[in-house]
Amino acid sequence: NAGVTQTPKFQVLKTGQSMTLQCAQDMNHEYMSWYRQDPGMGLRLIHYSVGAGITDQGEVPNGYNVSRSTTEDFPLRLLSAAPSQTSVYFCASRLRGLLGQETQYFGPGTRLLVL
Amino acid sequence: AQKVTQAQTEISVVEKEDVTLDCVYETRDTTYYLFWYKQPPSGELVFLIRRNSFDEQNEISGRYSWNFQKSTSSFNFTITASQVVDSAVYFCALSAYVNDYKLSFGAGTTVTVRA
Repeated sequence: NAGVTQTPKFQVLKTGQSMTLQCAQDMNHEYMSWYRQDPGMGLRLIHYSVGAGITDQGEVPNGYNVSRSTTEDFPLRLLSAAPSQTSVYFCASRLRGLLGQETQYFGPGTRLLVL
Repeated sequence: AQKVTQAQTEISVVEKEDVTLDCVYETRDTTYYLFWYKQPPSGELVFLIRRNSFDEQNEISGRYSWNFQKSTSSFNFTITASQVVDSAVYFCALSAYVNDYKLSFGAGTTVTVRA
């Protein structure tokens, strides 16, 4: 198993550009989520999905879109990048069971710089 | 609302010293889960432990130990006889028992172990 993979590892964007951060997992996990990590703030949930075709907003969804057309993939789209979206983005996945029983796996992260 | 506070921003110790990381949480839920994650300089997130609110027993795993006290809403983490490889950012996190799609993270504590 490759686990949770994220591409790209690092990206520089100009303000107003759009891009998609890719996340894929090969563990047949139902739950997937996106977090952003900012200095002094820990990780905050952006969007999550409990299965193909089902997505919902997390704590900081503004400026981001997601879709879940397959179990494996959960891309995060920035429609019009802003400097405030400079961050490290982590994708995570786990099986459907209770979070307290099913380990959540995190991807290696994507470092995004918006100029 | 859930909140996790890690009051210590940075801790620096000399190798073989013990180090304790504080974590205080707030939640309205009567049942919940608590977690600790490690983020080494390479950037990935490594799961260390989860504990449900039913179980207040302390836990020890090698040089790591955790002290959960529901009465003070704290879940502290101690590294005994620290080593240089323990240098990392450590995050405490909290989730509800039900609707557990979201992990609420603390801001993290950076631990530097000097040789």
